[in-house]
Amino acid sequence: KAGVTQTPRYLIKTRGQQVTLSCSPISGHRSVSWYQQTPGQGLQFLFEYFSETQRNKGNFPGRFSGRQFSNSRSEMNVSTLELGDSALYLCASTELAGLETQYFGPGTRLLVL
Amino acid sequence: ELKVEQNPLFLSMQEGKNYTIYCNYSTTSDRLYWYRQDPGKSLESLFVLLSNGAVKQEGRLMASLDTKARLSTLHITAAVHDLSATYFCAVDTVQGAQKLVFGQGTRLTINP
Repeated sequence: KAGVTQTPRYLIKTRGQQVTLSCSPISGHRSVSWYQQTPGQGLQFLFEYFSETQRNKGNFPGRFSGRQFSNSRSEMNVSTLELGDSALYLCASTELAGLETQYFGPGTRLLVL
Repeated sequence: ELKVEQNPLFLSMQEGKNYTIYCNYSTTSDRLYWYRQDPGKSLESLFVLLSNGAVKQEGRLMASLDTKARLSTLHITAAVHDLSATYFCAVDTVQGAQKLVFGQGTRLTINP
């Protein structure tokens, strides 16, 4: 099976712009979670989608949003970018809710100038 | 609020030696995950520990879980250079939620 794929892999934006990141889970996986990784804050949970519904959300401002499509692909959007949004954004997919390992994609590295 | 703490945060060791990374978490959870991350790369799943007393081994790595002590350990036996990486433990906050809280990571450097 192909792994989790994320596009784009690298992105440079300026403050105030918005960005959309995409994640395609492993085939058959219905749960997609998003995480932000920065040197200062480490890995932090953003949100999780299962069957097109957001089930959990982390402590991030409303500028961060996401959605999931019927084919389980997910997108996250960040509006009004700030310098502090520069990070590696990782998505992870899981086959079923519960006891499953999350498989992480390669990440999208976002730089906000 | 669930907190996950690892120690040490940095570990430099010689090939052939043994060492242990500790992961403490603050609230009840019966599932703990260990991941490896190489520089500039994503996270690779190493172990999922699902119950008290669980022990899993893969090559030179062995992980265990003590849910009563809220402690997991990752033991490295006879370290080799290829094990140099950052190791994260993570705990699920809500069963089935796929909402992981990660430790700070332990950066392991193994010198020849």
